[in-house]
Amino acid sequence: EVQLVESGGDLVQPGGSLRLSCTASGFTFSTYWMHWVRQVPGKGLAWVSRINTDGSSTTYADSVKGRFTISRDNAKNTLYLQMNSLRVEDTAIYYCGRPLGGGGSIVAFDIWGQGTLVTVSS
Amino acid sequence: DIVMTQSPDSLAVSLGERATINCKSSQSVFYNSNNKNYLTWYQQKPGQPPKLLIYWASTRESGVPDRFSGSGSGTDFTLTISSLQAEDVAVYYCQQYYSTPYTFGQGTKLEIK
Repeated sequence: EVQLVESGGDLVQPGGSLRLSCTASGFTFSTYWMHWVRQVPGKGLAWVSRINTDGSSTTYADSVKGRFTISRDNAKNTLYLQMNSLRVEDTAIYYCGRPLGGGGSIVAFDIWGQGTLVTVSS
Repeated sequence: DIVMTQSPDSLAVSLGERATINCKSSQSVFYNSNNKNYLTWYQQKPGQPPKLLIYWASTRESGVPDRFSGSGSGTDFTLTISSLQAEDVAVYYCQQYYSTPYTFGQGTKLEIK
């Protein structure tokens, strides 16, 4: 079964750090670009970041640029999101998403994880 | 950034009737080089991640019932549910993948009248 499983969400204080993980199974992880998308509970979706197949190219939303780092370990079939200098407005469910077709062209997410909740609060 | 605006914000439709959701982008998401619109639609039910319904504005994802259809080009797009079923109650989102940052509409909540 094709699956993505996120982990690492937690309650953290403003200014703190957290690392999210997304473990893939059931498909050849190393051939897919991967993305993070977040959603404030009860609100809309917001794209966060993407990484290419070998990790050499990354892109970020302006709201997280300079604070978040996306990376991957293809040997472990795992995607990461290192989140530093966290703000209250980073509170959200974080999803990893696999784009249809694998490459950079069809960024329509056909596989999503169940999400992991990050709460930034004092 | 490309701003995606959906209308209406919420919609109540009777079972068996047609539901129509609109999505407008602040700039064209049509690529002349391949004649494709970089627009997708998702359905999200409470407590679940989004589910892909439509990509390239009008291509139905495998397994999606044919009562779901997408249309439009350039900056104006529509998701149509031809005959509403109870299981279609959800929030629907459009998303452009023409350029980063990839952006979503604010969502349209679909309910049964």
